[in-house]
Amino acid sequence: QKEVEQNSGPLSVPEGAIASLNCTYSDRVSQSFFWYRQYSGKSPELIMSIYSNGDKEDGRFTAQLNKASQYVSLLIRDSQPSDSATYLCAVKRTGRRALTFGSGTRLQVQP
Amino acid sequence: DVKVTQSSRYLVKRTGEKVFLECVQDMDHENMFWYRQDPGLGLRLIYFSYDVKMKEKGDIPEGYSVSREKKERFSLILESASTNQTSMYLCASSLGGSASSYNEQFFGPGTRLTVL
Repeated sequence: QKEVEQNSGPLSVPEGAIASLNCTYSDRVSQSFFWYRQYSGKSPELIMSIYSNGDKEDGRFTAQLNKASQYVSLLIRDSQPSDSATYLCAVKRTGRRALTFGSGTRLQVQP
Repeated sequence: DVKVTQSSRYLVKRTGEKVFLECVQDMDHENMFWYRQDPGLGLRLIYFSYDVKMKEKGDIPEGYSVSREKKERFSLILESASTNQTSMYLCASSLGGSASSYNEQFFGPGTRLTVL
């Protein structure tokens, strides 16, 4: 089992819809969770971080964390074609400095 | 504003050459990381450093070495480049220690290395 798992996609949604991206992790002592956006040929860009159970909203983005079920999700409201990218989920385990990354979900927003 | 820079965006080298990739951060971060990213394999950690002259192996250190002589600078060295080291190389930095929750990593723009 991979430490951080994501569906590779592509996830295709129409413009204006809600895109829902999911991530599961295997280590229960994970303490911090991050979502990165990566455009083709570019480096990952941090868009959200979440540390406690529940929802965290930032503009059109909402991160949701459920530690009991070991999943974290990212909702993108009013999806735009410019949101088309690969979204990487990353997890920090207690006692480790490095993050563990999932392989990413490719999102396509259709105009 | 957070800034991580890498010495080159694109690099072409020949098999057997010694290759230096340099990364600089201006946030006074403790931690610096080198990853490579390949299609279908995701981001893989090569090495990281948590202090000057301190380093730890990541998941795929073979064929690579690193150097951190100053806090802001972290170099990745390919001692004898091989074609299977053709990849996108990404440097990142983060602030806190292993017990810290606030370990957002910030990435540089990446170096696309081609070894012929």
